[in-house]
This record gives sequence, C-alpha cells and structure tokens, in this order.
Amino acid sequence: EVQLQESGPGLVKPSQSLSLTCSVTGYSITYNYWGWIRKFLGNKMEWMGYISHSGSTSYNPPLKSRISITRDTSKNQFFLQLNSVTTEDTATYYCARYTYWYFDFWGPGTMVTVSS
Amino acid sequence: DTVLTQSPALAVSPGERVSISCRASEGVNSYMHWYQQKPGQQPKLLIYKASNLASGVPARFSGSGSGTDFTLTIDPVEADDTATYFCQQSWNDPNTFGAGTKLELK
Repeated sequence: EVQLQESGPGLVKPSQSLSLTCSVTGYSITYNYWGWIRKFLGNKMEWMGYISHSGSTSYNPPLKSRISITRDTSKNQFFLQLNSVTTEDTATYYCARYTYWYFDFWGPGTMVTVSS
Repeated sequence: DTVLTQSPALAVSPGERVSISCRASEGVNSYMHWYQQKPGQQPKLLIYKASNLASGVPARFSGSGSGTDFTLTIDPVEADDTATYFCQQSWNDPNTFGAGTKLELK
C-alpha cells in the first residue's frame, strides 16, 4: 500500500525557509505526480504545487516566487522548500499522491508554526 | 481562481440521508472530487471525478453533478460519518478546495 510521511521542523522563524520531506513507501515516485497541500487554522486548504514522474513541477501562482519542490528518486522522497516565510505560512502541511487530478493517498500531515 | 462554495455545517440524525453541496464559480466539467477529514487525521478520498467511488469507500457515499453544481450524498448516515467534507476541483488552474462542510450527528 502507498504510504506517505512528512517530516521536518515544527517551528520556523519569520523570513527563514521552511523545508519538509515526504518519504514514500509502497510506490515509486517515478510514477504519477506528487504534491504538497496545506491547511490553515479555520480549515482553508491550499494546493501548493506538485512534481511529476519526470521531475517537472507546477506551482500555485501566489507561491511561485517562494516555492521549490524537488525529489530524490534513490530515496523515494520529495521535498518542499518555501522561502521568506511569514506567520501567514503557519499551517498543517500534507504531502499526497496526485493521480488523474485528485489526491488519493495522503500523509498524516505535519504542523509548522512560523514564529520568532 | 475557481471558488468552491460549501455550506459551513449540517446536522443530521443517524439513519437519515444527507446531501452536501459544492458550487463552483465557473465550470469544472466533471473534475470535482470529495474528501472526508476527521479531527487529527489526513483527508481521505471518497469520490473522484464527480461520481466515482474511491477504493474501500462504503457504497453509502455517492456523488453527482457536473459543470458548476455538485453533491455528495450519504445514505444512510452513520455515527462514524461525523467529519468535515471538502470538495476539490482540478479542471481549472490552480487546483482549489472548498472551505469544508462540518457534518454533525444529532
């Protein structure tokens, strides 16, 4: 079965970079697409971007100047980097498999707080 | 961006039928998907492409609609269905999600 697990710091200072790892087991990331989604307090969910089976990426336009999604196929992991964070980036971050335009497998999520 | 509008909350009794709506600000063809999220858990895919039941999801859940108006139906509702239900569209860039409908059982 496909399983995803997010990892990374739970606290990031304003203006710094947020870096998260998504480790995937049970399926190769060289197939399908792999995305990051975040959920803010109050339930708003935002698609951040994805990386494809070939390594190409697509990002949500408001984040384009700050976001990078990369991968390490040898470790079956993909990564999120979000630069110049503010308190408005405080959220629960999820990684998920993106299959034929929907998210069918999700990680449990990791809460990231941006605070000094 | 395509805005998805959902009712904030619903309350129903076990055994009843409930319909949760999602209205898109522009057409999304049939590329509307539904998720269930319980507190402290990740979202779980229920319905994809408007009306297709995801693997392992009970047949009590069904989806309908096309264009701008979509409905998730649970019939009959069970106590375990207490959760927030989100819709997501992937026809227009970027992907967007609804704000969620919190389903409570009386």
